[in-house]
Amino acid sequence: AQSVAQPEDQVNVAEGNPLTVKCTYSVSGNPYLFWYVQYPNRGLQFLLKYITGDNLVKGSYGFEAEFNKSQTSFHLKKPSALVCDSALYFCAVRPFNYGQNFVFGPGTRLSVLP
Amino acid sequence: EAQVTQNPRYLITVTGKKLTVTCSQNMNHEYMSWYRQDPGLGLRQIYYSMNVEVTDKGDVPEGYKVSRKEKRNFPLILESPSPNQTSLYFCASSSGSSYNEQFFGPGTRLTVL
Repeated sequence: AQSVAQPEDQVNVAEGNPLTVKCTYSVSGNPYLFWYVQYPNRGLQFLLKYITGDNLVKGSYGFEAEFNKSQTSFHLKKPSALVCDSALYFCAVRPFNYGQNFVFGPGTRLSVLP
Repeated sequence: EAQVTQNPRYLITVTGKKLTVTCSQNMNHEYMSWYRQDPGLGLRQIYYSMNVEVTDKGDVPEGYKVSRKEKRNFPLILESPSPNQTSLYFCASSSGSSYNEQFFGPGTRLTVL
C-alpha cells in the first residue's frame, strides 16, 4: 500500500534558525513528490516538487527539499526560519505508475518562535 | 484570477438530508479531485476525475458521489449524510500531466448533526 509518513506532529524552531520538516514515503515505482503549506482557514498552497534530476529542489518563500531515493525521503528545509512560516505542512506523493491518485501525509505543524 | 471556488464555505445540516458541495475551476484543468481533512489523518482522497465523464474512487469514497458533466465543475454529493462525514472538504484541480501540482479551493467545513 502507498503511504506517506511525517514522523513529527509538531516542529518548533526559533526565528533565524534553520528548519527541517521530515517526510518519508512508501510507494511502488518512481513517485513525484510535493510539499504544500496550509495557513489557518485557508486551502493548501503548493511549495515545491520533485520530478526528476537534481535531488535538491528549490521552491517558494525560500524553501527547498532534498530527495533521497535510498532513504525514500523528501525532507523540507529552510536555512533561516521566519515567524510567518508558522503553518501546517503536508508532504504528498503521486506514484508515476499508478494513475492520478495523490497520497498525502498527516501533516506537520511548524511553529517559529520569535 | 486563476482559482478554484467551493460553495458553500460552511454548512451545518442534519443526518440524512441530501446536500451538494459545488466546485468550479477556471484554469481549464483536466484533473479534479475531492479530499477530506481530519485531524491527525491529513488529507484523504474521496474521488477524482481525469476528464469530463471520467471519475474514479479515491481512498475513502463510501457515502459520497461525484459527477463531471462539464470540465470546469466537479460537485460532491452526499445523498444521506451521517455524523462521521463531519469534516473539512477541499476540492483541487491540476492540468493533465502527473507531475503537475494541484490548485486547492478554500475548503468547505461541513457539520452533520
